[in-house]
Amino acid sequence: DAMVIQNPRYQVTQFGKPVTLSCSQTLNHNVMYWYQQKSSQAPKLLFHYYDKDFNNEADTPDNFQSRRPNTSFCFLDIRSPGLGDAAMYLCATSRDPRGEGETQYFGPGTRLLVL
Amino acid sequence: SQKIEQNSEALNIQEGKTATLTCNYTNYSPAYLQWYRQDPGRGPVFLLLIRENEKEKRKERLKVTFDTTLKQSLFHITASQPADSATYLCALVGSARQLTFGSGTQLTVLP
Repeated sequence: DAMVIQNPRYQVTQFGKPVTLSCSQTLNHNVMYWYQQKSSQAPKLLFHYYDKDFNNEADTPDNFQSRRPNTSFCFLDIRSPGLGDAAMYLCATSRDPRGEGETQYFGPGTRLLVL
Repeated sequence: SQKIEQNSEALNIQEGKTATLTCNYTNYSPAYLQWYRQDPGRGPVFLLLIRENEKEKRKERLKVTFDTTLKQSLFHITASQPADSATYLCALVGSARQLTFGSGTQLTVLP
């Protein structure tokens, strides 16, 4: 049973054309995360939602935005994708990061290609 | 600045041997450390968590150690199998309770 679902698995967009990636979860977890991962690199946290509370990482470009309309869904919007934004985008959830050692559950990722 | 280093980008071992992966960190005082497995084109999957007051944690053929003096964690896979081939990521849980990942070690188990 899929717990964290990401759609689409592959997304092709044009330079400068806005794109939205989606994530949904069946775990009813409080927290949802978006990571960017480039080839052979560590996943890099972009931002996370604790319930409706949005938390942006200091070095996340303004070009990246997120929405969480309800507990189950979270969206990543890239307003004007550049070639450097081509990457795998990973969505993850956890029950509560304030808990002890909360593990994260990842979706399969969306690979974004910018032409 | 805070840094997480995993010993090598790639590690090849023979089937049946023990694989040992290293995670070193600097300028962190992590409360917990986690290990994840990532297959190509997939998201990471949680394997093990170890707390700062624990020396060792085991799960089936997996063993993790955590030495806060050396600022190092070792991840062992005993009796390795080709199916264990994947990238293994260590992740630190810092004071902000967020995970910071290392770049991973790609393990290949040769039949």
